Amino acid sequence: EAGVTQFPSHSVIEKGQTVTLRCDPISGHDNLYWYRRVMGKEIKFLLHFVKESKQDESGMPNNRFLAERTGGTYSTLKVQPAELEDSGVYFCASSQYGSQTQYFGPGTRLLVL
Amino acid sequence: QKEVEQNSGPLSVPEGAIASLNCTYSDRGSQSFFWYRQYSGKSPELIMFIYSNGDKEDGRFTAQLNKASQYVSLLIRDSQPSDSATYLCAVPFSSNTGKLIFGQGTTLQVKP
Repeated sequence: EAGVTQFPSHSVIEKGQTVTLRCDPISGHDNLYWYRRVMGKEIKFLLHFVKESKQDESGMPNNRFLAERTGGTYSTLKVQPAELEDSGVYFCASSQYGSQTQYFGPGTRLLVL
Repeated sequence: QKEVEQNSGPLSVPEGAIASLNCTYSDRGSQSFFWYRQYSGKSPELIMFIYSNGDKEDGRFTAQLNKASQYVSLLIRDSQPSDSATYLCAVPFSSNTGKLIFGQGTTLQVKP
């Protein structure tokens, strides 16, 4: 069974540009989460989808971040315009409905210059 | 503000020794606890979870939970160099959400 996949693995952009990160959860997992780890800090929650609905977006830093999960399958996280402080590793995780056991993807390493 | 605290380390142990990793949490109502292992540049991998007070064993790993003292620990017996990684403690924000609160992680180095 394929795990959680993320694309791209790395992205280097300039301040003010737009970047879109993609996450493909494990097939059949209704729950999809985005987390972020900035250098020297702990992994922090961004938001949680149940199928295509946003269940909790309390961790989204500001309105420069837009997450979507059309059709309840893969999800995208767009940062527009990117700022220096957005640099970090963005993780996606998924879990089955009703389960708290989350499986993480390899992450996208974003560097904003 | 719900918090999960871990000593960032590094914790260095010789091969074959027992490694003890600790985590404290602030929310007395927390019910479940997760330990993830993360190799450098890789994704966090779930290795243990525990819900009840006491010990839970899985191979060389033992999770210990003490709700009265609000700490959870992970013991790794017969440590191997391949156990060298960062170990992350995570606690759900509440019982009806999947949002996990992570500690900073403890880096473990097992020296041959």
